[in-house]
Amino acid sequence: SYVLTQPPSVSVAPGQTARITCGENNIGDKIVQWYQQKPGQAPLLVISFDSDRPSGIPERISGSNTGNTATLTISRVEAGDEADYYCQVWDSSSDHPVFGGGTKLTVL
Amino acid sequence: QVQLQESGPGLVKSSETLSLTCTVSGGSISDSSHSWAWIRQPTGKGLEWIGTIYYTGSAYYSPSLQSRVTMSVDTSKNQFSLRLTSVTAADTAVYYCARQIMTPSTWFDPWGQGILVTVSS
Repeated sequence: SYVLTQPPSVSVAPGQTARITCGENNIGDKIVQWYQQKPGQAPLLVISFDSDRPSGIPERISGSNTGNTATLTISRVEAGDEADYYCQVWDSSSDHPVFGGGTKLTVL
Repeated sequence: QVQLQESGPGLVKSSETLSLTCTVSGGSISDSSHSWAWIRQPTGKGLEWIGTIYYTGSAYYSPSLQSRVTMSVDTSKNQFSLRLTSVTAADTAVYYCARQIMTPSTWFDPWGQGILVTVSS
């Protein structure tokens, strides 16, 4: 089955840029979603269709997907961005959705 | 604005059946452009998709849980439900319901607030 690999943790100073990766062979051929989950809260969709931001998601948050890696980029990181981030695709070979293992973003 | 709310027992005994209901408000569960999903998250761990149901009652499940899972839908109450049989401590998790967008790709938005279900021995 499809396995999405994310780094367990990413740390960044306020004001800097955080990049969170989601890897798998030819993930660029799939459509990737990203969710933000703050402590004690439900996941929130922040990127759909590789790079589309739902209404209300700041422009500082962007997504890209090419080759074997999808990337969630958060520019001008703020303390409020500290959260777990999950990537997700549809695995057409098994006909079900798959989540990555999640990345904890720490703002130093 | 669509909102989802999980309900059900927070404590289930080992070997028994976990039953949860998700109530949809602000929109119709019979909207043909969406499906409805259950996703769970053990404490401190990642997200695991459990299954998805369409308003017609057609459902599909995670292969790892398929033998123990049943989902159903009640369009008159705008609700859908989850049953998980023969639970063990490994089924202890926060259970979320979510609306699933089906095309052109699949994603989940919005999610319910989640309900913690603990399996006790």
